[in-house]
Amino acid sequence: TQLLEQSPQFLSIQEGENLTVYCNSSSVFSSLQWYRQEPGEGPVLLVTVVTGGEVKKLKRLTFQFGDARKDSSLHITAAQPGDTGLYLCAGFYGGSQGNLIFGKGTKLSVKP
Amino acid sequence: DAGITQSPRHKVTETGTPVTLRCHQTENHRYMYWYRQDPGHGLRLIHYSYGVKDTDKGEVSDGYSVSRSKTEDFLLTLESATSSQTSVYFCAIGQTYEQYFGPGTRLTVT
Repeated sequence: TQLLEQSPQFLSIQEGENLTVYCNSSSVFSSLQWYRQEPGEGPVLLVTVVTGGEVKKLKRLTFQFGDARKDSSLHITAAQPGDTGLYLCAGFYGGSQGNLIFGKGTKLSVKP
Repeated sequence: DAGITQSPRHKVTETGTPVTLRCHQTENHRYMYWYRQDPGHGLRLIHYSYGVKDTDKGEVSDGYSVSRSKTEDFLLTLESATSSQTSVYFCAIGQTYEQYFGPGTRLTVT
């Protein structure tokens, strides 16, 4: 059984602080995605990483895929209240289109 | 935004009744998916489709059936709803490395 563990589960910080969210597994993934979900809405894709060691930047968000393609991190610099939401990682472990699993998410609250 | 709509957006039904949720896309995408999202479990795949009349089971398919008679529509049916199927249901389209989600249907089974 493939599992993706996200940590921390909850994070409450002040505006302007930096933070890192982690997504870990004992399995190797072909690709890994990060989504953000706001209350009452569906998840929205932020980024997909496919190469071990890959780093992608999206404004104040930095995503890294581990060298062994088993883990990933999301770092937010100078968090803003608009960053508040549920951050989900999802890993594709190859084969059929159904082989995509999601972590349980990190719920981030950024207070002004 | 990907053109994905779900209907109904909210539904309350009684145990034992049949329920059908609809997902409609305007992107002409081959792949469509149904997920459920529950506290403590995250998003879990119920069924997915890789073309008209082509479907396959996901992680939590028991108690659910699906149909896809047209590229744009993917239906999820609960033949006899149970309280354990109270959840938020999301439809998605796209490849596994890039999925786009609908707004969700909140289903309550009493």
